[in-house]
Amino acid sequence: QVQLVESGGGVVQPGGSLRLSCAASGFTFSNYGMHWVRQAPGKGLEWVAFIHYDGIKNYFVDSVKGRFTISRDNSKNTLYLQMNSLRTEDTGIYYCAKLVAGDNWGQGTLVTVSS
Amino acid sequence: DVVMTQSPLSLPVTLGQPASISCRSSQSLVYSDGNTYLNWFQQRPGQSPRRLIYKVSNRDSGVPDRFSGSGSGTDFTLKISRVEAEDVGVYYCMQGTHWPNSFGQGTKLEIK
Repeated sequence: QVQLVESGGGVVQPGGSLRLSCAASGFTFSNYGMHWVRQAPGKGLEWVAFIHYDGIKNYFVDSVKGRFTISRDNSKNTLYLQMNSLRTEDTGIYYCAKLVAGDNWGQGTLVTVSS
Repeated sequence: DVVMTQSPLSLPVTLGQPASISCRSSQSLVYSDGNTYLNWFQQRPGQSPRRLIYKVSNRDSGVPDRFSGSGSGTDFTLKISRVEAEDVGVYYCMQGTHWPNSFGQGTKLEIK
């Protein structure tokens, strides 16, 4: 069955960096575009980024443009989110999701940006 | 960017009664391929989100048929024909037509 497992979250100071990973299994990862979605504590869902199946095209929410990079390694079945210049408002649970040919989400990884 | 506006934001419902959530987009969600990429998600307390409906009215696998989606253009609705206890949670619409994609604010469904 499809499984998505995020990792890499943690506590970081404002201005710092983190790289999130999402390990995929149970499907042909290289065939599908992938999303990152986040949720601040007690708040709603916010769409963050998307990358096409081949890694060539990607899209971001305006608030992270120029700070976050999305990438993938199809040989390792892994999706990444490189987060630089982190701000307190980036705090939250980060989910990776496959929303084509079904609906699959990871359990999320918590990112806390605090001094 | 496309703004998704849901109403109501809080929805107390009696068990067995119907419920309805509205979602409006600031632009038409009809894509150039003719499809309308409007999704509905459910997030139960402490859980990851789960999609219920895709492309306005298509139920995802395993979703009970008491959930239905309708609408067109900029105006969409999620209906639950008879609310059950397991339906408690927050419901979100999300548009996948335009970049960046975007979610509504969420509607919290609770049992009266």
